[in-house]
Amino acid sequence: QVQLVESGGGVIQPGGSRRLSCAASGFTFRNFGMHWVRQAPGKGLQWVAFIRYNGSNKYYTDSVKGRFTISRDNSRNTLYLQMNSLRAEDTAVYYCAKSHPTAGPDYWGQGTLVTVSS
Amino acid sequence: QTVVTQEPSFSVSPGGTVTLTCGLSSGSVSTTHYPSWYQQTPGQAPRTLIYSTNTRSSGVPDRFSGSILGNKAALTITGAQADDESHYYCVLYMGSGIWVFGGGTKLTVL
Repeated sequence: QVQLVESGGGVIQPGGSRRLSCAASGFTFRNFGMHWVRQAPGKGLQWVAFIRYNGSNKYYTDSVKGRFTISRDNSRNTLYLQMNSLRAEDTAVYYCAKSHPTAGPDYWGQGTLVTVSS
Repeated sequence: QTVVTQEPSFSVSPGGTVTLTCGLSSGSVSTTHYPSWYQQTPGQAPRTLIYSTNTRSSGVPDRFSGSILGNKAALTITGAQADDESHYYCVLYMGSGIWVFGGGTKLTVL
């Protein structure tokens, strides 16, 4: 069965950096695009970024462009999100999600909490 | 920037039918937006219900169905049960690799 396990969350000071990881198993990771989606405390879901199956194309929501970088290592079945210049408004649970070939996210991890606070 | 709209809240009686919608602040939703629907209870990860407008995800009961109604995507729940009380989110593909979630609908079953 598909399993996605995020790690790397924690408390980070404003302006700091963090890299999130998502370990994938139960499917052929190199064949599927992957998403990061976040949810601020008490708020709705926000799509953050998408990377194609081979890493050739990456897409971001406007509020993280230039600060966040999505990447993947298909040899390690792992997805990453490098977050720089963090702001208080980046505080959220970050979910990685496998992409359906003809739709959006279909399988989700349990999420990792990132708190940006001094 | 185009906003994806959902009803903030809705209520349905046990056994009843409810239709939640997913629209655009400008324009109409079509199948080319590949609408998907998710259910989320507090403290849990989202669960995929419907993708590509009307395809049920594995294990989702057939009382959940998706469609395009007029100029919006729609999620219909027939025979609502107590454990359907959740938040429901839609997501739309905006082109150029960009996806946007709606603000979510809090469904109450009472």
